[in-house]
Amino acid sequence: DADVTQTPRNRITKTGKRIMLECSQTKGHDRMYWYRQDPGLGLRLIYYSFDVKDINKGEISDGYSVSRQAQAKFSLSLESAIPNQTALYFCATSDSGLAGVYEQYFGPGTRLTVT
Amino acid sequence: AQSVTQLDSQVPVFEEAPVELRCNYSSSVSVYLFWYVQYPNQGLQLLLKYLSGSTLVKGINGFEAEFNKSQTSFHLRKPSVHISDTAEYFCAVKGSNYKLTFGKGTLLTVNP
Repeated sequence: DADVTQTPRNRITKTGKRIMLECSQTKGHDRMYWYRQDPGLGLRLIYYSFDVKDINKGEISDGYSVSRQAQAKFSLSLESAIPNQTALYFCATSDSGLAGVYEQYFGPGTRLTVT
Repeated sequence: AQSVTQLDSQVPVFEEAPVELRCNYSSSVSVYLFWYVQYPNQGLQLLLKYLSGSTLVKGINGFEAEFNKSQTSFHLRKPSVHISDTAEYFCAVKGSNYKLTFGKGTLLTVNP
């Protein structure tokens, strides 16, 4: 079984709808991240969480919210989806050790299309 | 602030040819550098990392990278590529508050 899983893998939704992307991990890591990937732009950090009570905004958090329900679960919500949120979304986890924190383990991604 | 520039957005090569993917960085703090690979329809996985010590770093699948402090570069190389190396490659640098800053990616296409 995969260490980092994301659901759904693909989703098409309409403008204005609320949508939640879910991430679960079995690696026992404290730190979890949400990124979006757009062609030619690389990965951009949306939110990150260093433990259940520590959630931080990344570089592009506007229009998104997150919930860390447990150490192993980190959800990303789009309260009112808009077309420019069409992208590939990745969840990642990392250890809390000084160097290990930078070795991030990625889920398979969720392809979201907002029409 | 930290930043990463990947100098080529696409690199086409023939099978068994050598390849170099270029990465330049800027960082105002101690430098930790990474290469990640994304195979089609998959998430990213760590290829190799430089934290300290030897400037030549070896990774998985025969890749290696050399840290050059004076040129602020961390280029990725492989002496002979295979079709299965076709993927997108991302260079990354340690940012503030334990975050990674990624480059925009280089698509390596290996042709038969």
